[in-house]
Amino acid sequence: AQTIHQWPVAEIKAVGSPLSLGCTIKGKSSPNLYWYWQATGGTLQQLFYSITVGQVESVVQLNLSASRPKDDQFILSTEKLLLSHSGFYLCAWRDWVYEQYFGPGTRLTVL
Amino acid sequence: QQKVQQSPESLSVPEGGMASLNCTSSDRNFQYFWWYRQHSGEGPKALMSIFSDGDKKEGRFTAHLNKASLHVSLHIRDSQPSDSALYFCAASEHNQGGRALIFGTGTTVSVSP
Repeated sequence: AQTIHQWPVAEIKAVGSPLSLGCTIKGKSSPNLYWYWQATGGTLQQLFYSITVGQVESVVQLNLSASRPKDDQFILSTEKLLLSHSGFYLCAWRDWVYEQYFGPGTRLTVL
Repeated sequence: QQKVQQSPESLSVPEGGMASLNCTSSDRNFQYFWWYRQHSGEGPKALMSIFSDGDKKEGRFTAHLNKASLHVSLHIRDSQPSDSALYFCAASEHNQGGRALIFGTGTTVSVSP
């Protein structure tokens, strides 16, 4: 069975500080991977997606960047956090034509 | 403009009642639809998919698809407090490739005991 982990579970960071969020998929070879941002009670805003190692496509940047250093790993980062980065970050994977499966999410608070 | 619109934004239902959620897309390329449910503090989970016109029933949940009008609905029968959550409609084109599902604006359902 496939499992998806996200780390950390929650972060409280200062404006202007760097950030790195991670996502790991186990039990699935070469998955399509996605990063989403969600305001409290809001819709899911797609940020990035990756079909293969080393290749990342940006949908909405929001002063964030993403990388896929390994087949099973997807990283979201920024060098300088803004207040507007606060929210819930979700990683997901998808089979070529089937539904998407989401991780448990990371709650980010920027003060 | 959001390609997938949901209504209502929020819905209150008494325990044991029926909840009805609607979803309309503006893109005729969408062929496949899902309903997702997200409890507070968790990632969304797929409830059910529907790919053909008509009804699809899974337990207390019934989805209805009308591709001609680009309309999808979800009906929750005998609503339980555990059904209180944020519900999303999601859509996909036939040859979407690696791109993500397109998610709707969401409907918050509150079931009161």
